[in-house]
Amino acid sequence: QQPVQSPQAVILREGEDAVINCSSSKALYSVHWYRQKHGEAPIFLMILLKGGEQKGHDKISASFNEKKQQSSLYLTASQLSYSGTYFCGTGKGAQKLVFGQGTRLTINP
Amino acid sequence: GAVVSQHPSRVICKSGTSVKIECRSLDFQATTMFWYRQFPKQSLMLMATSNEGSKATYEQGVEKDKFLINHASLTLSTLTVTSAHPEDSSFYICSAATGANYEQYFGPGTRLTVT
Repeated sequence: QQPVQSPQAVILREGEDAVINCSSSKALYSVHWYRQKHGEAPIFLMILLKGGEQKGHDKISASFNEKKQQSSLYLTASQLSYSGTYFCGTGKGAQKLVFGQGTRLTINP
Repeated sequence: GAVVSQHPSRVICKSGTSVKIECRSLDFQATTMFWYRQFPKQSLMLMATSNEGSKATYEQGVEKDKFLINHASLTLSTLTVTSAHPEDSSFYICSAATGANYEQYFGPGTRLTVT
């Protein structure tokens, strides 16, 4: 079952914050976050496994709610390099990931 | 670490011919690799899961006789598009799973154009 991402697109000015959500009607085993720039491979950002988990590095962080049905990716003080399409992927262990439809993030100077 | 390469990056072929795409994990061994197809401005659609030393598992609707997958070693998986048609034109991306939580690391993708 494909997770639902929102919003579909976001336009920000450099320095502003953004939140991208990834939701499912069923509890998820794990959530993987990726960023993809046009014509390039998706880059792995982080993985969340536990309900209530929060993790992050630099100014990009993510959370996984207690019911494990929603994850949010937080981008604070956005930089131009953050532009791209963000995908959440949900899966279980070594099994396949099912990706959301993506959120296109545009950062303007 | 966790670098995945793909070759070629771009290929143009004539309708009816076959094309082979290679996916290599450069600095780690991957028992599981995945092949995706991505249309412009769309999400990644899983085509098949490739396991070293065994047959690939194809997603529903993906023709296994058209998209041949071979995972001959722990660092190499290949996708062969046989008897290519213009509708097979797309961006094909592979990934390799590694780490305790099987994070997937993606190759740079192959842009296939069938004329």
